[in-house]
Amino acid sequence: DQQVKQNSPSLSVQEGRISILNCDYTNSMFDYFLWYKKYPAEGPTFLISISSIKDKNEDGRFTVFLNKSAKHLSLHIVPSQPGDSAVYFCAASANSGYALNFGKGTSLLVTP
Amino acid sequence: KAGVTQTPRYLIKTRGQQVTLSCSPISGHRSVSWYQQTPGQGLQFLFEYFSETQRNKGNFPGRFSGRQFSNSRSEMNVSTLELGDSALYLCASSLAGQLHQPQHFGDGTRLSIL
Repeated sequence: DQQVKQNSPSLSVQEGRISILNCDYTNSMFDYFLWYKKYPAEGPTFLISISSIKDKNEDGRFTVFLNKSAKHLSLHIVPSQPGDSAVYFCAASANSGYALNFGKGTSLLVTP
Repeated sequence: KAGVTQTPRYLIKTRGQQVTLSCSPISGHRSVSWYQQTPGQGLQFLFEYFSETQRNKGNFPGRFSGRQFSNSRSEMNVSTLELGDSALYLCASSLAGQLHQPQHFGDGTRLSIL
């Protein structure tokens, strides 16, 4: 049973515009959420995280928003760059960082 | 600072054999987790070790096992290999003892079963 869902398998955005990647979860015990970026033939690279006591976290061009009542989080990338083209995974944990539950990923393509 | 190192990068085995994969965490990281990535199931949690003890375990059969050594290095073993075990096996490490520490991944071991 998939507890973390990324319903858009792919997304295409023009360079300079905003990329918005979405993620939904079903387990109300999740208290820590992360986004990872993955290039082919490499492991996932940690991007940004948020704990359930917050609703927003920013790091440079990346912002994660958490809506606990809707069990939804999103990653905003502004402005998008061609180097951001990769697969983005949403992950969640019910025990503060271990045993991550991953979504199936969204492939982002940023075109010049 | 060196990242998470996994060896070997690629492995080819046949059904019925067993395999051992190795993971060296980031220096100072004491928690090591293992994940299986397949096209159909995505990334799935196998188990997590801390101080040589398995703390968390995912829903995988007993053929999948692991251990952690005193220097935090970890190994994962799969016995009686099946075709469905073909996957990318990823190891991740994190600081332990603190809340909400992100896991950092290695580049994985690609296991192919013939």
